[in-house]
Amino acid sequence: AQSVSQHNHHVILSEAASLELGCNYSYGGTVNLFWYVQYPGQHLQLLLKYFSGDPLVKGIKGFEAEFIKSKFSFNLRKPSVQWSDTAEYFCAVNARGNNRLAFGKGNQVVVIP
Amino acid sequence: GAGVSQTPSNKVTEKGKYVELRCDPISGHTALYWYRQSLGQGPEFLIYFQGTGAADDSGLPNDRFFAVRPEGSVSTLKIQRTERGDSAVYLCASSPPLLAEPHEQFFGPGTRLTVL
Repeated sequence: AQSVSQHNHHVILSEAASLELGCNYSYGGTVNLFWYVQYPGQHLQLLLKYFSGDPLVKGIKGFEAEFIKSKFSFNLRKPSVQWSDTAEYFCAVNARGNNRLAFGKGNQVVVIP
Repeated sequence: GAGVSQTPSNKVTEKGKYVELRCDPISGHTALYWYRQSLGQGPEFLIYFQGTGAADDSGLPNDRFFAVRPEGSVSTLKIQRTERGDSAVYLCASSPPLLAEPHEQFFGPGTRLTVL
């Protein structure tokens, strides 16, 4: 079964700072990769996804993530955060052909105005 | 359009009682998933339906947990003899029919279950 690791569970940064959240997964086969975001009081929503092709994917609100197969990683980045990016971010993986998602523990990100 | 809805939004029950949690998926979505999210953790897979049948129930923790989807739309997660450790947010998600490319899962707001 696949597993997902996210480090630095709590991240506090100021507006305009750059953000990078790490995601590593353990699975030897082909995977689909996702970042979901949960804003305060809202439900989980998709930020971006990678299935195949260009390993650098761009999502909503200026976020991007890079799939590095050799490192089993799918790190999320945003060059300049805003207060409205305060949220919890979850990395998720599923093995190709298997629909169950495996989530990391999440990163609680707080952006100070 | 309408998203995934879940009822109730909150459920408080006593240890040993039976509870049912309901999920209404997005119209036309054939796949439906249940996850459980405990405090400080990411969602944990419970069960996946494709149409009316459970295609993968390997995430159900024990036989106190059961889920149905009799008409291929609404699903009910049933928990018997609830225990305090069952307290969590139960999330439902749905996705369109699987074709050549996998699809994202669309999540509902969850039901917060508290077992006293």
